Amino acid sequence: GAGVSQTPSNKVTEKGKYVELRCDPISGHTALYWYRQSLGQGPEFLIYFQGTGAADDSGLPNDRFFAVRPEGSVSTLKIQRTERGDSAVYLCASSSREGEADTQYFGPGTRLTVL
Amino acid sequence: AQSVTQLGSHVSVSEGALVLLRCNYSSSVPPYLFWYVQYPNQGLQLLLKYTSAATLVKGINGFEAEFKKSETSFHLTKPSAHMSDAAEYFCAVRGPYGGSQGNLIFGKGTKLSVKP
Repeated sequence: GAGVSQTPSNKVTEKGKYVELRCDPISGHTALYWYRQSLGQGPEFLIYFQGTGAADDSGLPNDRFFAVRPEGSVSTLKIQRTERGDSAVYLCASSSREGEADTQYFGPGTRLTVL
Repeated sequence: AQSVTQLGSHVSVSEGALVLLRCNYSSSVPPYLFWYVQYPNQGLQLLLKYTSAATLVKGINGFEAEFKKSETSFHLTKPSAHMSDAAEYFCAVRGPYGGSQGNLIFGKGTKLSVKP
């Protein structure tokens, strides 16, 4: 079946601009996660949705970052007033139910470059 | 809080040689542990996971890992490296108690090179 998809695959923007990154999880997966991977680092957690609600947004670095999942499927990560330090690969993952051992399936990521 | 340390940011082996990638975790409770592989320009793919059942876990592509509580380790091994194993490998922990139950905490990764 179809895996997690993310669009766009690459996004180049200028400092100060607003960007939206989209994630389509595996159909039926109720949990959705956003991570950020900087060069040479492992992925770092940003936010976790269970259904439509954000169950944990403790990883969002500041109030310029916001994410929504209005219908419990597709999610959008929104970044306002982008800064050069926001440049990274943004990864989305989904899993079939909330549970400690459930496998998270990752998308290919969106590479964001802020000039 | 849970954390993961991967020793060695870069490991190089010859084709056919043993692969050993090290991972140590920190947790006050029995953790759930994962190894993911990332090929260039691709997403993360699960290799294997430890979920408090058998301590020796077998995964895809001939990889396995052993959970050792006394050493707080979860090292990844493969008896014979193949050229196609060249990739970056990430160890991750997901703790069952305290803080977020949802997210994974990743190590910094180990890039594996395989020489012909």
